Amino acid sequence: ILNVEQSPQSLHVQEGDSTNFTCSFPSSNFYALHWYRWETAKSPEALFVMTLNGDEKKKGRISATLNTKEGYSYLYIKGSQPEDSATYLCASSGNTPLVFGKGTRLSVIA
Amino acid sequence: ETGVTQSPTHLIKTRGQQVTLRCSSQSGHNTVSWYQQALGQGPQFIFQYYREEENGRGNFPPRFSGLQFPNYSSELNVNALELDDSALYLCASSPPDRGPTGELFFGEGSRLTVL
Repeated sequence: ILNVEQSPQSLHVQEGDSTNFTCSFPSSNFYALHWYRWETAKSPEALFVMTLNGDEKKKGRISATLNTKEGYSYLYIKGSQPEDSATYLCASSGNTPLVFGKGTRLSVIA
Repeated sequence: ETGVTQSPTHLIKTRGQQVTLRCSSQSGHNTVSWYQQALGQGPQFIFQYYREEENGRGNFPPRFSGLQFPNYSSELNVNALELDDSALYLCASSPPDRGPTGELFFGEGSRLTVL
């Protein structure tokens, strides 16, 4: 059974700060790594799906990297804004359906 | 393009009762997955349906069952409800033929409380 860990569990940053979170996953039988953004009272929305070691993806101020050999992915947010406040979930799949971590809850203080 | 919709949004049941949760998948998506998110946990995979057949199941007992209909909408049924079944139930659809690389499109969830 895959074990996907995310850290930190939560964090508070000031508006304008840059921040990053970590997702670690078993590197054996890796197939894909997903990042989702989940605002309160809304549905989770996909940010990135990555499959290749060394992948880097970017969407506006948010970017992500992937290291499949050591089993981790970083999500970066540059110049955090209050609207970035959300829970960020990562999920990994091997030869199994997606396994989610518990998420990192980000609060951006104006 | 219509997104994933779930109903009901909230419901309260008592132990031993049965519940049916419904999900309409995004247009053109033929795969539907169900997840349970208990308090303080990440979403846990319950099962997946592809073209009306169960296509993968997580570590949930048989009292959790499902259906997928020809229009790819889906139901999650839970019998003999237990207190620990209290959770947010998320439905997600995904595009055809993408497998694990296909991003999931989630509904807003159905929050079940079992008393």
